[in-house]
Order: sequence, then C-alpha cells, then structure tokens
Amino acid sequence: QKEVEQNSGPLSVPEGAIASLNCTYSDRVSQSFFWYRQYSGKSPELIMSIYSNGDKEDGRFTAQLNKASQYVSLLIRDSQPSDSATYLCAVTFRRTGNQFYFGTGTSLTVIP
Amino acid sequence: ETGVTQSPTHLIKTRGQQVTLRCSSQSGHNTVSWYQQALGQGPQFIFQYYREEENGRGNFPPRFSGLQFPNYSSELNVNALELDDSALYLCASSLRATHTDTQYFGPGTRLTVL
Repeated sequence: QKEVEQNSGPLSVPEGAIASLNCTYSDRVSQSFFWYRQYSGKSPELIMSIYSNGDKEDGRFTAQLNKASQYVSLLIRDSQPSDSATYLCAVTFRRTGNQFYFGTGTSLTVIP
Repeated sequence: ETGVTQSPTHLIKTRGQQVTLRCSSQSGHNTVSWYQQALGQGPQFIFQYYREEENGRGNFPPRFSGLQFPNYSSELNVNALELDDSALYLCASSLRATHTDTQYFGPGTRLTVL
C-alpha cells in the first residue's frame, strides 16, 4: 500500500462548478497535510496546508481533514479554466519528520 | 515566485555519465529537500539537508549524493546515470526541518538521459 493515494482522474468539471479532490494516507500517526497545484511542465506551487481536523478555507479553496478516516480533500468553488492542472496531495508522518510523501496527483480539467 | 532557484533548467546526458544539479534556497531557509518526479508521477523524496548535514534519505541508491553549503544552497550529484534517471528534479526549501514546515519548490531541472 502506498503511503499517499489519489485518484489520478482525469476529473472534468464545467466552469463555475465545485471540484472535489480526495487523498487518503496509510499512517495514522500523520502530522501535516499540503495541497499543491502543478501546471504541465512546471513545478508544484503551494495552495494550502492543514494540520487539524476540520475545514480550512482560503478564497475559493477549502481543505478538509479527517484523521480518523485518514483522508484529506480539497474543494475548489467556482472552478475556472485556469484551475486546470494536476493537484498533488503531500503528507508528513511523525516517523519521518519533514519528508513529504506525495500522491500521484489528480488531473483536473475545467471546461469553459 | 518562491525565491528558490535551480540550475540548469534542462540537461541532456548519456548513460554512465555524471551530473550535478544546483539549488539556491529561499532567503532565511536552512533546509533543502530534493525530489525526483518521473512523468505522470508525484515527486519522490531523495534526501534532505539541514544545516549542512543529511537529514533523511529516501529509497535511492548511493550514486545519488548531495551537499549543502554554509549559505544553505545545495547540490545533487548523480553518478553512473541510467535511462530511468530521466525525470524532473525538484529542489524545495523550508524554514526549518520540522514536520509542519511548508516546502517551497524551485522551477526544477529537467534531466534527459540518452
């Protein structure tokens, strides 16, 4: 079992809709969770981090963390064509400190 | 822009050669991590340097080695290149080496091994 798993997609949503991206992880003793966006041919850029159970909102983005169920999700409201990218989930575990474990990413296409 | 820079942008090498990739961390950051990202995959952790010492290593062979300098910039060296080493190599810097610290990525170096 991989440490971090994501549905690779592709996920397609119409412009203005809500995109929902999910990520599950294997180790209950997890620490920190991060969502990155990666455009084709570019490097990952941080969207947001979340450390505690519950929701965290930043503009059109909401991260949701449920440690008991070992999943973290990202909601993108009012999706725009510029949101079309691959979304990477990253997790750190207590046993390995600051080492980031990434999922394979979910490809999102927002259709105008 | 994250303030993390990498050089070169692209590199083409042949199998068996050696390569050195460079990274300058964001101002004030003392920790640098290196990742390998193959096409269609997520980044895979190679190793991390904290205050000039290796601070964790992923599942990569010893021919992947690194250095961190007093100004916290870093190098990744790969010896005896193999075709499977073709990938995007990402450097990320963070303020410290604790588990809560966000890592900020540089633009990457695209390595092609022929």
